[in-house]
Amino acid sequence: DADVTQTPRNRITKTGKRIMLECSQTKGHDRMYWYRQDPGLGLRLIYYSFDVKDINKGEISDGYSVSRQAQAKFSLSLESAIPNQTALYFCATSDEQGYTGELFFGEGSRLTVL
Amino acid sequence: AQSVTQPDIHITVSEGASLELRCNYSYGATPYLFWYVQSPGQGLQLLLKYFSGDTLVQGIKGFEAEFKRSQSSFNLRKPSVHWSDAAEYFCAVSGSARQLTFGSGTQLTVLP
Repeated sequence: DADVTQTPRNRITKTGKRIMLECSQTKGHDRMYWYRQDPGLGLRLIYYSFDVKDINKGEISDGYSVSRQAQAKFSLSLESAIPNQTALYFCATSDEQGYTGELFFGEGSRLTVL
Repeated sequence: AQSVTQPDIHITVSEGASLELRCNYSYGATPYLFWYVQSPGQGLQLLLKYFSGDTLVQGIKGFEAEFKRSQSSFNLRKPSVHWSDAAEYFCAVSGSARQLTFGSGTQLTVLP
């Protein structure tokens, strides 16, 4: 099984619908992240969490919310999806102990908003 | 604020040829620098990183990168490319806040 698992892997939805992307990890890392990837723009940070009680906005948090249900689980929600939120979303984790800067990524969740 | 520029959107090389992918960063102090690779349908995987010390760093899969402070660059190199190296490559920078900022990526195509 993958160390960082994202569900669903693919989702098509309509404008205005609420969508939740889920991420779970077995690496035992405290830090978790949600990134969005768009062609030609690289990866942009949406939200990050250093532990269950610590949630921080990233570069492009508008229109998104997150929940850190446990050390191993970090969910991203789109309360009312719009077409320009069509993108590939990645969850990632990192280990704060002895910071190495290495992020461990899930395989991505492709979201299409019609 | 930190930023990363990857000037080449797409590079095509023949198998066995050498490769250099360019990366320029902007950060006020000595940054932490990274190269990640994304194979089709996969998440990103760390190739190599620079924190301090020797400016030439070795990574996985035969890749290396050189940190040049005077040029604010961290270019990725490989002496002989394999077909399996076809992927998208991302340079990233991290400063004191330890938040990664990614470049826009370079897509590598390898011709047989």
